[in-house]
Amino acid sequence: SQQGEEDPQALSIQEGENATMNCSYKTSINNLQWYRQNSGRGLVHLILIRSNEREKHSGRLRVTLDTSKKSSSLLITASRAADTASYFCANTGGYQKVTFGIGTKLQVIP
Amino acid sequence: DGGITQSPKYLFRKEGQNVTLSCEQNLNHDAMYWYRQDPGQGLRLIYYSQIVNDFQKGDIAEGYSVSREKKESFPLTVTSAQKNPTAFYLCASSKGASNQPQHFGDGTRLSIL
Repeated sequence: SQQGEEDPQALSIQEGENATMNCSYKTSINNLQWYRQNSGRGLVHLILIRSNEREKHSGRLRVTLDTSKKSSSLLITASRAADTASYFCANTGGYQKVTFGIGTKLQVIP
Repeated sequence: DGGITQSPKYLFRKEGQNVTLSCEQNLNHDAMYWYRQDPGQGLRLIYYSQIVNDFQKGDIAEGYSVSREKKESFPLTVTSAQKNPTAFYLCASSKGASNQPQHFGDGTRLSIL
């Protein structure tokens, strides 16, 4: 199956700065989801954006979706050391078909 | 607290052995999934099940088997036919279709002795 691609693969920022991660996908989508994974743990769902939505907010998270470019971005504002994790996008196309990207590893330096 | 429990957290297998990874959920979710995670490759779907007594192969099912006899349980067996089983295995569940948010367990790390 084709996987989405997150960009950059690794990102290191200072605490308080904003972090932006991008995701590109190849197939049509039903919705797009973002997940966080702390080292050695399972994934945690962060936010879901439907194919007919362009922007969505949840706390310090802002997600955008551009279906014409087959891309999405995740912005974390005012980052904290606790945001250090890997972030994955997952696009959901047809029924029961979920494709995860390879992830962006974010390091927030205190 | 509702959630997904995977056990054991670490598992070691000798060459030629089958091993079974446990996954239990108390979220009353219909759908359950098994993923394999290798460094730099993201998550790849092994098997999924939408309802009890039914399951389908994912993208990398060869060398693996599953059962879904109860709604709460979806064990994964890594057979000796899986030539490169060393990986981090994640179990997930969702209310229904996979376009719903998935809830993940904390994984089992399998290594070959």
